[in-house]
Amino acid sequence: EDQVTQSPEALRLQEGESSSLNCSYTVSGLRGLFWYRQDPGKGPEFLFTLYSAGEEKEKERLKATLTKKESFLHITAPKPEDSATYLCAVIWSGYALNFGKGTSLLVTP
Amino acid sequence: GAGVSQSPSNKVTEKGKDVELRCDPISGHTALYWYRQSLGQGLEFLIYFQGNSAPDKSGLPSDRFSAERTGGSVSTLTIQRTQQEDSAVYLCASSFNYEQYFGPGTRLTVT
Repeated sequence: EDQVTQSPEALRLQEGESSSLNCSYTVSGLRGLFWYRQDPGKGPEFLFTLYSAGEEKEKERLKATLTKKESFLHITAPKPEDSATYLCAVIWSGYALNFGKGTSLLVTP
Repeated sequence: GAGVSQSPSNKVTEKGKDVELRCDPISGHTALYWYRQSLGQGLEFLIYFQGNSAPDKSGLPSDRFSAERTGGSVSTLTIQRTQQEDSAVYLCASSFNYEQYFGPGTRLTVT
């Protein structure tokens, strides 16, 4: 059973059309939830860490929120350069990241 | 500052050959991780080094996989007798706390 589930698998938005990506997790004893951005042919780029329910973090057009069972990555007025795969990961035991399968975002002009 | 670097960026090898992949972590980061990313499987943890402690090898898929970290810095991932299912992108990450920073990866193709 997957511990981290991301939805949707793929999302197509028009430039300026705000939306949210979802990451739900089933682990207990969450130590941290992480969001990464990955461009084709590159390694994941760190975006945010969230540690406790109610926490929020923002960076440019991105805002990440965390509840006890899920996290949302809100994208406000996206631009084509926001197109990438967004990965969610959790640490619940040890220090290894447990990744979801990602959401592939395409923003068209 | 300099990020995590990996070499080679691409490696093509024949089935049955051994390969070595290298990772240079960010200076000052005490922890180093190896992950594998393949189509349909997502990112999978392989092994974790922290300082001088014994590594966490719980993610290694078989005994053909091994890794070492010399002097608390550079790490080498070795795959012996490569198989076609080993084809993937191998990613290295380093951290000082929980936040892990990834290198560009090595794309391994086993023919």
